[in-house]
Amino acid sequence: GAGVSQSPSNKVTEKGKDVELRCDPISGHTALYWYRQSLGQGLEFLIYFQGNSAPDKSGLPSDRFSAERTGGSVSTLTIQRTQQEDSAVYLCASSLLAGDYYEQYFGPGTRLTVT
Amino acid sequence: DAKTTQPNSMESNEEEPVHLPCNHSTISGTDYIHWYRQLPSQGPEYVIHGLTSNVNNRMASLAIAEDRKSSTLILHRATLRDAAVYYCILRDGYGGSQGNLIFGKGTKLSVKP
Repeated sequence: GAGVSQSPSNKVTEKGKDVELRCDPISGHTALYWYRQSLGQGLEFLIYFQGNSAPDKSGLPSDRFSAERTGGSVSTLTIQRTQQEDSAVYLCASSLLAGDYYEQYFGPGTRLTVT
Repeated sequence: DAKTTQPNSMESNEEEPVHLPCNHSTISGTDYIHWYRQLPSQGPEYVIHGLTSNVNNRMASLAIAEDRKSSTLILHRATLRDAAVYYCILRDGYGGSQGNLIFGKGTKLSVKP
């Protein structure tokens, strides 16, 4: 079946602009995670959704970052007033259910470059 | 969360076995040992996981020390496609955690033809 897909694959934006990154999880997966991978930094957790519950935003680096998940499926990560330090690869993952027991499936990522 | 320690990098020759070590001296009784890998320009992918006994699957084997304070991911015959960063991650199998993965720096495996 289809894996996790993300769009766009690459995004170049000017500092100060808003961007939206999209994630399509595997059908039937109720848990969805966003991570960020910066040059020289490891993979860091950003935000998590379980079904229609309110997301856990504890990993978001600033209030310029927000995310939503419509209908318990597609998710959009929005970064407002982008800064150069936001340049990174943004990865989305989904799993059948939330929790440490379940394997996560990752998308290919969106490479964001802020100029 | 319990931490893991891995070498920054390792080299292997193609078609030879590779043993990737991971130390997790503060592992708790309910922590599972998971391995993910990230191929160049791709998202991470699950490799294998285990609790106490050694585990085998089509990708690799996982050898877990008797005291569970260390483990080794074994690739039986490395191929060029196995060049990746390998992450050893502890996950609480019985907790109510939301399940986000906590990645360390991992081990960058290079495979020489």
